[in-house]
Amino acid sequence: LAKTTQPISMDSYEGQEVNITCSHNNIATNDYITWYQQFPSQGPRFIIQGYKTKVTNEVASLFIPADRKSSTLSLPRVSLSDTAVYYCLVGISGNTPLVFGKGTRLSVIA
Amino acid sequence: GAGVSQSPRYKVAKRGQDVALRCDPISGHVSLFWYQQALGQGPEFLTYFQNEAQLDKSGLPSDRFFAERPEGSVSTLKIQRTQQEDSAVYLCASSPSRRGMWETQYFGPGTRLLVL
Repeated sequence: LAKTTQPISMDSYEGQEVNITCSHNNIATNDYITWYQQFPSQGPRFIIQGYKTKVTNEVASLFIPADRKSSTLSLPRVSLSDTAVYYCLVGISGNTPLVFGKGTRLSVIA
Repeated sequence: GAGVSQSPRYKVAKRGQDVALRCDPISGHVSLFWYQQALGQGPEFLTYFQNEAQLDKSGLPSDRFFAERPEGSVSTLKIQRTQQEDSAVYLCASSPSRRGMWETQYFGPGTRLLVL
């Protein structure tokens, strides 16, 4: 499985756009990039998944450059309720387990 | 609709006791997963079921950990002779099909186990 590196923590003010970058230098050709969000005392929640270029849904956007060695999760206009831990996962579809790592702890300040 | 539910939400056990943690997946979901999450860490994979078949148990830390899903719906994670290092949140997740672990997983709230 490709190892991922992401910042341990980030702070942001309400209303700002937040970009969390994940490095995955040894990503394999068939690997997908998946992000989960976890609020305190809850299980993780799927946010977005992509393979290349850009993916957007109602929650976030995922930007993946051509070399796919990194990816950026973009959260538009964050609110206090976006305070959570965000996990970047890289792997292939099938029966290889998800590897969460420590994630990025995002704190949104009023 | 109803999400994944887990019970109990909190469990305190004395060292050496056996515990059983229950997971009710989303109705009709084929795949079920168990994870262990230590304080300040991300979830770590324990085991994976498709229906009643346990396809992967590579993450179970010792033979004191046992999981079952006899009818392909509800699952139980059993920990025998609990140790203090077993203290963690145990998360259950389910997904709709047989596409494997990278299909979107829906997580329950977890069971927080404290072993004294």
